[in-house]
Amino acid sequence: LAKTTQPISMDSYEGQEVNITCSHNNIATNDYITWYQQFPSQGPRFIIQGYKTKVTNEVASLFIPADRKSSTLSLPRVSLSDTAVYYCLVKARNTPLVFGKGTRLSVIA
Amino acid sequence: EAQVTQNPRYLITVTGKKLTVTCSQNMNHEYMSWYRQDPGLGLRQIYYSMNVEVTDKGDVPEGYKVSRKEKRNFPLILESPSPNQTSLYFCASSFREGPSEQYFGPGTRLTVT
Repeated sequence: LAKTTQPISMDSYEGQEVNITCSHNNIATNDYITWYQQFPSQGPRFIIQGYKTKVTNEVASLFIPADRKSSTLSLPRVSLSDTAVYYCLVKARNTPLVFGKGTRLSVIA
Repeated sequence: EAQVTQNPRYLITVTGKKLTVTCSQNMNHEYMSWYRQDPGLGLRQIYYSMNVEVTDKGDVPEGYKVSRKEKRNFPLILESPSPNQTSLYFCASSFREGPSEQYFGPGTRLTVT
């Protein structure tokens, strides 16, 4: 299973763009990269998923370089409600979804 | 509304008293799984099911059982709960196993005394 490493915590001011980078050096050819968001005492919520290059949806963007050994979740213009834990996961078929400890993002007014 | 429901949401029980936490999804998803979340350890998968009558162990299956008799339901059974099973439990489902969005339930906070 590919192991992921991401910062334990980050702080940001409201309105700023936040980039959270995750490293996954031993990612396999068939692995996808997925990000989840979790608020206290709630289940994780899917944010975005990608395989390579760039993916964008209404919530975030995901940047994946050509070697796929890292990925960056970009949250544009964060607000206080974006304060949460963000998990980077690497997933292939027929393997369990493994959550690491995530990155605790604190947005400050 | 598409959702994953869990019951009960909160449960306090004593060591050794069998309990079942139910999980149901209304999205016709094939894949369902159970996680536990503990401070400092993140989310860990207990069991998962690829489809009806197909279940397999996750990372921390000891002390738990599951069954998948119907596509929509995936109950978690603790035959003889112990205090180290005190945790926050989440059920999740997705359309299929593999890179697809997982939908999580609201969680069940279990305390075993």
